[in-house]
Amino acid sequence: SSDLIQSPSLSVSPGQTARITCSGDPFPQRYAFWYQHKPGQAPVMVIHRDTERPSGIPERFSGSTSGTTVTLTISGVQAEDEADYYCQSADSSSFVFGGGTKLTVL
Amino acid sequence: EVQLVESGGGLVQPGRSLRLSCAASGFTFDDYAIHWVRQVPGKGLEWVSGISWNSVDILYADSVKGRFTISRDNARRSLYLQMNSLRLEDTALYYCSRGGASGLGDSGFDLWGLGTLVNVSS
Repeated sequence: SSDLIQSPSLSVSPGQTARITCSGDPFPQRYAFWYQHKPGQAPVMVIHRDTERPSGIPERFSGSTSGTTVTLTISGVQAEDEADYYCQSADSSSFVFGGGTKLTVL
Repeated sequence: EVQLVESGGGLVQPGRSLRLSCAASGFTFDDYAIHWVRQVPGKGLEWVSGISWNSVDILYADSVKGRFTISRDNARRSLYLQMNSLRLEDTALYYCSRGGASGLGDSGFDLWGLGTLVNVSS
């Protein structure tokens, strides 16, 4: 399976924009999916199929793609957005997650 | 309520076996592929295995191939993971997660349980 590369950490102040990137060979041929994971809770899908936002996910979460890099953007970051964020993709024989980015809201 | 609830985790010695279960409710279970994803404490998410709605298509991560077996019982709305020849590195929180409609295609995981902890230790 292919590796997906994410920066380990990102810190932003409330109200700023957070951009979390994920690079890997599956893109752009395969879809990207993004998850928010808070300690002790189940992961939550925040973006599916590169750019689509599931029902119930705030509009400040958006996804984009450019070549082999996909990006999760959180506009107007709030304290409640502090979490680990993972990208994910799939090929014909496996599913793969990025290493995760810990978002800290200062 | 739409949910997945895992069970069966515990403390087990290296080389022994353990069977995990996942009970689904609130949605049409046999409309979806279902997966196991694990997380070693302090580390990231790792996909383990997935099974299509009708059990025809099954995939495993290389790290568990030949040792773990995934199965499902649509009548009981349940997913299982038989884990044999357990290793120290299998210690993790194991999540059950809902995949794409029917098959194991280019999809993500839109519903997750809270996980069940497997601790492989002598």
